[in-house]
Amino acid sequence: DQQVKQNSPSLSVQEGRISILNCDYTNSMFDYFLWYKKYPAEGPTFLISISSIKDKNEDGRFTVFLNKSAKHLSLHIVPSQPGDSAVYFCAATAGANSKLTFGKGITLSVRP
Amino acid sequence: NAGVTQTPKFRILKIGQSMTLQCTQDMNHNYMYWYRQDPGMGLKLIYYSVGAGITDKGEVPNGYNVSRSTTEDFPLRLELAAPSQTSVYFCASEGGSGKLFFGSGTQLSVL
Repeated sequence: DQQVKQNSPSLSVQEGRISILNCDYTNSMFDYFLWYKKYPAEGPTFLISISSIKDKNEDGRFTVFLNKSAKHLSLHIVPSQPGDSAVYFCAATAGANSKLTFGKGITLSVRP
Repeated sequence: NAGVTQTPKFRILKIGQSMTLQCTQDMNHNYMYWYRQDPGMGLKLIYYSVGAGITDKGEVPNGYNVSRSTTEDFPLRLELAAPSQTSVYFCASEGGSGKLFFGSGTQLSVL
């Protein structure tokens, strides 16, 4: 049973526009959420995170929104750049000693 | 600034062969992890370690073994390789709060 779901496998966006990457979860015990970015032939790198006590966290062009009642989070990238083209993984954890659960990832393509 | 180093980057094994994937980190992190990523799938946890001498199974441990004799090193051993172990393997260490630092991966094919 997949506890972290990234239902759209891919997204294509024009450079300069907003990219919105969605993630849903089923485990109500999850209290910390992270996004990782992965380029081909490289390992994932941490991008941004959010605690369940917040509903928004911003870091430059990247903002993550959390809707706990809907068990949904989204990553907004504004403005999108060609260098943002990568696979984005949503991940969640439930407490300090819990291991991360990853979604399947979504491939973002930013067209010049 | 090396971070997490994995070797080899690529390997082809025959069914039944064995090999060890090496992983070293220089950030003095206690927590280390091995994941595998199959095409179109997320990262599945194979084994993890919370410190030297302590290891535990993750979600998909069958066919693998690990050891953690030092803080820096966390090798993953594949015994009797099977085609189902064809995957990309990532080692990671944790800097706290779920923030993992990943190696660049090992692409393994078992034929």
